[in-house]
Amino acid sequence: EAGVAQSPRYKIIEKRQSVAFWCNPISGHATLYWYQQILGQGPKLLIQFQNNGVVDDSQLPKDRFSAERLKGVDSTLKIQPAKLEDSAVYLCASSPTGLNQPQHFGDGTRLSIL
Amino acid sequence: AQRVTQPEKLLSVFKGAPVELKCNYSYSGSPELFWYVQYSRQRLQLLLRHISRESIKGFTADLNKGETSFHLKKPFAQEEDSAMYYCALRAGGTSYGKLTFGQGTILTVHP
Repeated sequence: EAGVAQSPRYKIIEKRQSVAFWCNPISGHATLYWYQQILGQGPKLLIQFQNNGVVDDSQLPKDRFSAERLKGVDSTLKIQPAKLEDSAVYLCASSPTGLNQPQHFGDGTRLSIL
Repeated sequence: AQRVTQPEKLLSVFKGAPVELKCNYSYSGSPELFWYVQYSRQRLQLLLRHISRESIKGFTADLNKGETSFHLKKPFAQEEDSAMYYCALRAGGTSYGKLTFGQGTILTVHP
C-alpha cells in the first residue's frame, strides 16, 4: 500500500509569513494526526481528525495554527503568522478505524523560520 | 496526564553486545505502549507494541506495570540497529487516540 504522503519536504520562510503543509493519508484510514517535532524532542500531537471532524486539538496554538480535513481525506495545516519557535518537522500520520491500530507516519515537512 | 520518559539521549554499544533502551511512563489508566524507530533518512515506523508480545528484528519489550516501564531489549546488537528510538504511550481501550512520545534515544552500534 502507498504510505502517507506529505508535501513539501522542506520549507524556509521568514517570521511573520504564512505557510501551509499538505497531507494525504493512506487510503481508507479514517483517523489523521498532525504532530510537531522540535529538534531534540519527540513528536507532539497538534490535532487529530476522525474523518472530517476534530477529535483533539488541545495542543494546537489556535491563534496562529489552523487545520482542516475537507471530505475526510486530505488535510492541510497552516501557520499564520509564523514565529521563530515554529521551526520544526511537521509529521502527518494516519490509522484505520478499529481498536489497537498503529499509526503510520509520513516523511514530514521540515520548516525553518528565518 | 500522560508522560513518557526516556532517560538516555545517547546510547553506544559494540556489535554483538546486549542493548537495553529504557522507557518509563506515567499514566493513571491502562496504557498501550509502543516503540517506534527512525533509521537514517527514513520515516518514523512502528517497531513493536506491548499487546503483540512479539519479537521484531530481535527486539523485545515487556510492559512492567509495577515499575511503569517498557524497556526495549536485544541480546546481540547489530550495526543496522543504529537509529533513533522513541517510546510512545496511548490510552488503552480506545479505538483511536493520540500518542505521547518520549524524547527519544539515539542508538549507535559500533563495529
